[in-house]
Amino acid sequence: DVKVTQSSRYLVKRTGEKVFLECVQDMDHENMFWYRQDPGLGLRLIYFSYDVKMKEKGDIPEGYSVSREKKERFSLILESASTNQTSMYLCASGYGTGSQNIQYFGAGTRLSVL
Amino acid sequence: KNQVEQSPQSLIILEGKNCTLQCNYTVSPFSNLRWYKQDTGRGPVSLTIMTFSENTKSNGRYTATLDADTKQSSLHITASQLSDSASYICVVSDRGGSYIPTFGRGTSLIVHP
Repeated sequence: DVKVTQSSRYLVKRTGEKVFLECVQDMDHENMFWYRQDPGLGLRLIYFSYDVKMKEKGDIPEGYSVSREKKERFSLILESASTNQTSMYLCASGYGTGSQNIQYFGAGTRLSVL
Repeated sequence: KNQVEQSPQSLIILEGKNCTLQCNYTVSPFSNLRWYKQDTGRGPVSLTIMTFSENTKSNGRYTATLDADTKQSSLHITASQLSDSASYICVVSDRGGSYIPTFGRGTSLIVHP
């Protein structure tokens, strides 16, 4: 079974803190993704990576950065957390493009910024 | 622009009843369509995946249908159970070189005893 593991299920941080969300996958997938999910808005793509050290902006990259130093790990960084970044964060991994692009999701991290 | 629209936004049914969720898309050229189930506070889990040539696919009490001509899909849940309470998300991929599929906003289903 594909396993995508997010380091924390729940996280509470203060405004201005630097926050790291970690994601690890065990299927040697090329592609990894970070989404945030808010009520009524669905999943919105923050960043994705199709290879080690490669990253591409998604629809809402402002206030976030990412790091992919190893194929199995994709980190989302909030440089200076703000209250409007309170959300559910979902990591996904997959392979290929187009018809081959199947995504497998982690359990999610619910982040609260106070 | 590729879009996926789901309806209804939310649905409440009694345990044991059937229900149908709808998904309309404008993704082109079409490659595949997936339905995910997302329990509260958890990540989405794939239920079914259908390609252009498939009209129907079942996974237990879940049956997905696809009409590629009208660009519509439905997810039918038979004899609903309390554990079916979740959000159901429709996701469509194109045949191009995109890494990113198009997500619907989901239908929230609540099953009452």
